[in-house]
Amino acid sequence: QKEVEQNSGPLSVPEGAIASLNCTYSDRVSQSFFWYRQYSGKSPELIMSIYSNGDKEDGRFTAQLNKASQYVSLLIRDSQPSDSATYLCAVKYSNSGYALNFGKGTSLLVTP
Amino acid sequence: GAGVSQSPSNKVTEKGKDVELRCDPISGHTALYWYRQSLGQGLEFLIYFQGNSAPDKSGLPSDRFSAERTGGSVSTLTIQRTQQEDSAVYLCATRLQETQYFGPGTRLLVL
Repeated sequence: QKEVEQNSGPLSVPEGAIASLNCTYSDRVSQSFFWYRQYSGKSPELIMSIYSNGDKEDGRFTAQLNKASQYVSLLIRDSQPSDSATYLCAVKYSNSGYALNFGKGTSLLVTP
Repeated sequence: GAGVSQSPSNKVTEKGKDVELRCDPISGHTALYWYRQSLGQGLEFLIYFQGNSAPDKSGLPSDRFSAERTGGSVSTLTIQRTQQEDSAVYLCATRLQETQYFGPGTRLLVL
């Protein structure tokens, strides 16, 4: 069974702080990793993708990947109340046509 | 529109009835996926279509579930003899390169 694990939260951070969201996965040969944001009652939308070890930055978002530790994280700098949502970590199976294996998501609450 | 569309947006049905859910993909995206999201659960992969290849049905939970994709475009997910545990949001996604784009989903409630 290929697992993707996330803390369900809620993770509460004050406005302007850094939010750190973490994800671990069990399929050692997974190659592609994604962070999706899902607002309540809405469909997931892609925030970041990362394929190589290290950091990838896009605006206020930074994805970090450590394949040796099977760990991927998302940092949100200068958190805003509008960032309050559930963040889904997704990992591409190594051999099944790009089907994504999703974690259950971490609920983030940014308080004004 | 430019995005993935799904219909209906909401469906209420009685236990034992059949339902059909529709997905209109983004033009030019050859890969199409169906996922299910139950309350408090992550997204569960159901089925995957890629061009004219045989679909990957490995995620379908039972033989009551089936899907087809006509002409490499529109896809229909059919659930026969619905059960209450089928209640969930059914999401369709299409893929360009490595990125999957999700439709708004169909919220299914089986009474």
